Amino acid sequence: KNQVEQSPQSLIILEGKNCTLQCNYTVSPFSNLRWYKQDTGRGPVSLTIMTFSENTKSNGRYTATLDADTKQSSLHITASQLSDSASYICVVSARGSNYQLIWGAGTKLIIKP
Amino acid sequence: DTEVTQTPKHLVMGMTNKKSLKCEQHMGHRAMYWYKQKAKKPPELMFVYSYEKLSINESVPSRFSPECPNSSLLNLHLHALQPEDSALYLCASSQLPANSPLHFGNGTRLTVT
Repeated sequence: KNQVEQSPQSLIILEGKNCTLQCNYTVSPFSNLRWYKQDTGRGPVSLTIMTFSENTKSNGRYTATLDADTKQSSLHITASQLSDSASYICVVSARGSNYQLIWGAGTKLIIKP
Repeated sequence: DTEVTQTPKHLVMGMTNKKSLKCEQHMGHRAMYWYKQKAKKPPELMFVYSYEKLSINESVPSRFSPECPNSSLLNLHLHALQPEDSALYLCASSQLPANSPLHFGNGTRLTVT
């Protein structure tokens, strides 16, 4: 069964600190992996999208990694800011599935001053 | 601000009402999507339009009726909804092929009384 699991469920860190969020997937055949940021009550915003051949991709203070062999991804946030407080969702697309995406449950990140 | 605009932002309707949700994008994207999101859950795909034609209907009840009048507009017509249909309804668009990033609007918060 195609699944995406994220950990931790929630995380609280102090402003200025770094953190890493994890995503494990069992989607096959793999097409791409995406990270989205969703603020409460707003639509998700795309942070990165990685295909099989990419193992690192950055977007400002966000860096995503992908290990297609172990089917794991991580999202590293550097020098966190209060505005980073949000849910971070890992989403995987299966090859040939057209528009179907498998969504993780998300990690809720809270940044405290 | 997102490049996908959804109206209204909030909607309260009774179970016998008929209402419509609207979505507009001017990025030239040829795929448009409706998602439903319940609290603390990831978005669930409802419908996909590709080149203004319905490509995917995820077994959505007929009380939800999508319409794509042109490449920039997407509507969701609502009739005889149930209280359990209360949710955040998200519109998204993407370039084709379908492995392109999704661009989401900020949603319509729907409450069915």
